[in-house]
Amino acid sequence: DGGITQSPKYLFRKEGQNVTLSCEQNLNHDAMYWYRQDPGQGLRLIYYSQIVNDFQKGDIAEGYSVSREKKESFPLTVTSAQKNPTAFYLCAAGGGFLDDEQFFGPGTRLTVL
Amino acid sequence: RKEVEQDPGPFNVPEGATVAFNCTYSNSASQSFFWYRQDCRKEPKLLMSVYSSGNEDGRFTAQLNRASQYISLLIRDSKLSDSATYLCAVNRGGGATNKLIFGTGTLLAVQP
Repeated sequence: DGGITQSPKYLFRKEGQNVTLSCEQNLNHDAMYWYRQDPGQGLRLIYYSQIVNDFQKGDIAEGYSVSREKKESFPLTVTSAQKNPTAFYLCAAGGGFLDDEQFFGPGTRLTVL
Repeated sequence: RKEVEQDPGPFNVPEGATVAFNCTYSNSASQSFFWYRQDCRKEPKLLMSVYSSGNEDGRFTAQLNRASQYISLLIRDSKLSDSATYLCAVNRGGGATNKLIFGTGTLLAVQP
C-alpha cells in the first residue's frame, strides 16, 4: 500500500509537553510539507523541505521544529513554545517545483489539554 | 485583502444542479493553481490542477482568468457524493518552489 502515512491519527497531550508527529511517504517525492488547519481557516504552512537535510520555515514556524534525515520521512515536533497547538496537522508531499501537485496524508488531530 | 479568497458558502443545491465556485487571488505572479476536495474531518484530496487553457474531468471543469485573477470550478449534474468542502490553492509566485496558499474553502451541500 503506497502513499503518505501519518501517525497517530489522534493525539492528546498535556500543556507544556513536546510531541512529535510522524509523516512517511513512499511516493519518492522530493518535497514534503507540514500544514496546520484550524476550524474556519485555510491550511497554513508550518515548514517545508525540498531535499534531504534541508528545510525552510513557512508562515507559522514559531513553536515547531522539523528534521529531514531521510527522503521518506519528515517528522514535526510541536514544542511547548507553541501557544495554541490544538489543531489538525496535515503532511503533504510533492515534486516541489512549480506546477507540481501536493498530496496529503490523512492528518493527525492534536488536542492539548 | 487576503491572498486567496473563497466564498465560504454553504451552497445548498439539489441533485442534478450545476454549481460554480470562484476563488480570487492577489498575487499576479502566481503560476500554478489547484482545486482540492475535503470531506469532513479528512485530508484534502486533489481534484484537479487548473491550466491556462481550462481543463475538464468528467463533470468538473476548472478555468483560470489571469486578467481578473480568479480560478473557477464548475460541477455539472451534482451528486449527493459531491457534498464536501472545496479548497482552492494558489502558489505564491516567485522562485522555483511550489509553496501553496490555500483558501478557507467553500462548503457544498447537495440535497436529494
